[in-house]
Amino acid sequence: EAQVTQNPRYLITVTGKKLTVTCSQNMNHEYMSWYRQDPGLGLRQIYYSMNVEVTDKGDVPEGYKVSRKEKRNFPLILESPSPNQTSLYFCASSFSLAGDYEQYFGPGTRLTVT
Amino acid sequence: QQQVKQSPQSLIVQKGGISIINCAYENTAFDYFPWYQQFPGKGPALLIAIRPDVSEKKEGRFTISFNKSAKQFSLHIMDSQPGDSATYFCAATNLIQGAQKLVFGQGTRLTINP
Repeated sequence: EAQVTQNPRYLITVTGKKLTVTCSQNMNHEYMSWYRQDPGLGLRQIYYSMNVEVTDKGDVPEGYKVSRKEKRNFPLILESPSPNQTSLYFCASSFSLAGDYEQYFGPGTRLTVT
Repeated sequence: QQQVKQSPQSLIVQKGGISIINCAYENTAFDYFPWYQQFPGKGPALLIAIRPDVSEKKEGRFTISFNKSAKQFSLHIMDSQPGDSATYFCAATNLIQGAQKLVFGQGTRLTINP
């Protein structure tokens, strides 16, 4: 089954404790991205990757890091989480960056930072 | 600054009625306008999309109406069903930059009462 998977689905952590949210897709997609979803703000892009070893900032990159060492994986790293990073996070992938290729979203990771 | 403004924030419609969600944008470079549907606990999924060379696109009970001069587009759900209850996001981008510059509206939580 073609899908985007994220782990963990739920995470409660404390301020300053480094964490990683994993994302993997099995569709051989070139493009992957991370979004955060907050009430009243919709989805906002954090980082995206056009291919292996090629990443760039989205609209809200502060406090996040990413890496793309393999085509299928695109982990999101919070080096020192803060309460304002409490949010619902989605990983997405698509066949290509440009054009109207559909973005496929993962099931989401709900992060709470206390 | 929200590049795509979506309204209403929440909407309650009786079964069989018409649900209407509106979006407005500022950037005239946008030329691709998708709508995403998100069920609780799931990631968003592409529902229907339109390019500005047409004023309307229909897929089953779902229709996008597009007004290029007003820079507005809307989603109409005909004969709304309880299974349509979800959060809907409009989005916009241009086909050259595609997913890289996809911006989302704030979301509308739609409830269809049986």
